[in-house]
Formats: sequence, structure tokens, C-alpha cells
Amino acid sequence: EAGVTQFPSHSVIEKGQTVTLRCDPISGHDNLYWYRRVMGKEIKFLLHFVKESKQDESGMPNNRFLAERTGGTYSTLKVQPAELEDSGVYFCASRLGGFNNEQFFGPGTRLTVL
Amino acid sequence: AQSVTQLGSHVSVSEGALVLLRCNYSSSVPPYLFWYVQYPNQGLQLLLKYTSAATLVKGINGFEAEFKKSETSFHLTKPSAHMSDAAEYFCAVSDQAAAGNKLTFGGGTRVLVKP
Repeated sequence: EAGVTQFPSHSVIEKGQTVTLRCDPISGHDNLYWYRRVMGKEIKFLLHFVKESKQDESGMPNNRFLAERTGGTYSTLKVQPAELEDSGVYFCASRLGGFNNEQFFGPGTRLTVL
Repeated sequence: AQSVTQLGSHVSVSEGALVLLRCNYSSSVPPYLFWYVQYPNQGLQLLLKYTSAATLVKGINGFEAEFKKSETSFHLTKPSAHMSDAAEYFCAVSDQAAAGNKLTFGGGTRVLVKP
């Protein structure tokens, strides 16, 4: 069974540009999460989808970040326009429905904003 | 609000020695507690989790952790370190009562294993 995949693995962009990160969860996992780790800091929650609906987006830093999950399958996280402080590693995780199931993490996308 | 503190961002151990990684949490509600490991260029992998059953939790690769409510701790141990244990380890907490299960992480501890 394929795990959580993320694309691209690395992205280097200029300040002010737009970047879109993609996450493909494990098939059948209704729950999808985005997390971010800024250099030297802890991994922080961004948002949580249940199928195509945003269940909790309390961790989204500001309105430059837009997450979507079309059809309840893959998800995208767009940053527009990117700022220097957006640099970091963006992790996606997915989980089966029901309580107390494990979150499975992807390898992350390393975003560098110059 | 929940929080997690991992004491020591870097730990160096000799091969065959005890691995001890410290984690203290703060939570106003009964927590679920987790340890994840990240090997280079890979995603986070669950080592073990505490979900209010046994307080001593055994995980993969010989790791275990003990939940101590009185100390608000969930320290991770392994009796004998292997070179393959070199990785970054994350302690995390989630709220038992919240259906979302979002995780709050500590800052991570990078483990170096010396031959």
C-alpha cells in the first residue's frame, strides 16, 4: 500500500511568487492534515480536512495560505504571495476515520523563499 | 491549550548505551501522547502511543515510554542504542476529547549514535 506522498520534495522561489504544494493521502483516509516546521522551531498544525471539508483551520498563519481538497482526495496548499518567513518544511498526514487512529506522515516539502 | 517540551535538542549516545529522551507535556484534558521518529529524507513514523490504557507503552525498534501523570512526563527509552537509531525524535500530544486529533509537537531531539 502506498504511503502519503508529497510533491514537490523541494521548492525554491522568490519572495512574492506563488507556490502550490500537493499531498496525496493514503487511499481511503478521510482525514488529511497539513503541518509546517519552520527552521529551528517545532512542527505546527496548519489545518485539518475531513473529506473535502475544512474541519479545523485554526493554524493557518494568514490569508496568503489557501488549502483545498477537491473531491476529498488529494489536497493542495497554495502560498500567494510567498514571504521569507514561509520557508520551512510542510508535512502532510492522513488518517482513517474514527477516533484514535494513527496519522501517517508524508516526507514533506522543503520550501525556500529567497 | 496543550504544549510539549522536549529537553535537549541534541543527544549523543554511544552504541549499546541507554537512550533516554525526555518529554513533558501540558494539557488541561486527558491527553493522548505519541513519539514519532524521522529518518533523513523520510516522513515522521510513529514509534508508540499512549491512549489511556497501560502506562508503560512498548513501541517498535525496542523503544518504550512510560506515562507519568503526576510528573506530566512521557519519556522515551531504549536499553541499547544501535547506529540505526540516529534520527530526530518528536514527542506529541493530542486532546482525547477532540475528534480532530490534531497533534501538538515538541521541538524535536536529534540523536547521534557514536560507535
